[in-house]
Amino acid sequence: AQSVTQPDIHITVSEGASLELRCNYSYGATPYLFWYVQSPGQGLQLLLKYFSGDTLVQGIKGFEAEFKRSQSSFNLRKPSVHWSDAAEYFCTISNFGNEKLTFGTGTRLTIIP
Amino acid sequence: EADIYQTPRYLVIGTGKKITLECSQTMGHDKMYWYQQDPGMELHLIHYSYGVNSTEKGDLSSESTVSRIRTEHFPLTLESARPSHTSQYLCASSESQGGTGELFFGEGSRLTVL
Repeated sequence: AQSVTQPDIHITVSEGASLELRCNYSYGATPYLFWYVQSPGQGLQLLLKYFSGDTLVQGIKGFEAEFKRSQSSFNLRKPSVHWSDAAEYFCTISNFGNEKLTFGTGTRLTIIP
Repeated sequence: EADIYQTPRYLVIGTGKKITLECSQTMGHDKMYWYQQDPGMELHLIHYSYGVNSTEKGDLSSESTVSRIRTEHFPLTLESARPSHTSQYLCASSESQGGTGELFFGEGSRLTVL
């Protein structure tokens, strides 16, 4: 069975600092990988996705993620966070053609001035 | 700008009441989903549909039921609500043919059962 682990429940960073959110997955083959963001009181929005090809993928709002097969990881990064980035971030995986995504437990990001 | 709408956004009701959470999308997507989300927990798929008259149970067992009579509408019903049903319910949809796998989410319905 596929699974996703987000080891950091809560991260606090200063505005303007760099950010890395960790995600590890377990799956028998290369899954489809996604990062979603959920702002308070809102639904989830897709930040970026990886299916194949270049292992460094660019997303919206200045985010990027790198797929590392050897480490079964898909960490999310941003070079300089903004106060509006405060939200819950979910790493998710899916096998090909199956859009029943498996979600991680999420990482809550707090931004301090 | 949301193309998938959920109502009500917030609902507080007493035990034993029947409730229906509404979900509608205007994107013409065939696939629709209901997820249950508890605070600090991952999202769990409770129902999905691949088109009209198609409904399936998800990975997490739920006492709720769903129907899909129209493509754009995917309501979720609880016949007799209990405090254990208190949670946030998220509706989502995705493209079918040629889709990228991206789910489009509504803003959620937060249910509290007293």
